[in-house]
Amino acid sequence: EAGVAQSPRYKIIEKRQSVAFWCNPISGHATLYWYQQILGQGPKLLIQFQNNGVVDDSQLPKDRFSAERLKGVDSTLKIQPAKLEDSAVYLCASSLGTSGSFQETQYFGPGTRLLVL
Amino acid sequence: AQSVAQPEDQVNVAEGNPLTVKCTYSVSGNPYLFWYVQYPNRGLQFLLKYITGDNLVKGSYGFEAEFNKSQTSFHLKKPSALVSDSALYFCAVLPGGYQKVTFGTGTKLQVIP
Repeated sequence: EAGVAQSPRYKIIEKRQSVAFWCNPISGHATLYWYQQILGQGPKLLIQFQNNGVVDDSQLPKDRFSAERLKGVDSTLKIQPAKLEDSAVYLCASSLGTSGSFQETQYFGPGTRLLVL
Repeated sequence: AQSVAQPEDQVNVAEGNPLTVKCTYSVSGNPYLFWYVQYPNRGLQFLLKYITGDNLVKGSYGFEAEFNKSQTSFHLKKPSALVSDSALYFCAVLPGGYQKVTFGTGTKLQVIP
């Protein structure tokens, strides 16, 4: 079974530029998550989708971050404009989520490491 | 609001010795608890979870964890450490019902040959 795919793996940009990350979840997984992991910290949930609907985006800085999952499969996370403090690893995860049971195991992708200069 | 504490930034253990990585939590209601491992330059990998039932949960790679409700702890254990177990370990909590999952800050495990 293929895992969660993310691209790019690494990205270096200057502050005020924009950047986009892509995630392809495990086939059949209804729930998709984006996390931000700053060096030395645990992952922080940014946004959670159930199919193509947003379940929770309370910790997403909406003035600069946006995410979409238009067809309920792939997802993109965008930052515009980027700030220095956005330097982090952005992790995508997915879970079956078919019954709305949020105790289901999440499967993580390798992450995208972003450096903002 | 829920929280998770991993009191040790790093744990060092000799190969072959038992290991323990500590986790305590604070949440209202009955929690769901998870352990994940992160190897360098890789995403998190699921190790085990406690939902309900037996307090001792067995997971991948010989790891196990014990849910202790009175002490609000969910410590990760392994009887005999391997050098390949060296990695970053994260505890996570999900309160019963829907709320977002919260991760601890991680504990770096170093197994010394």
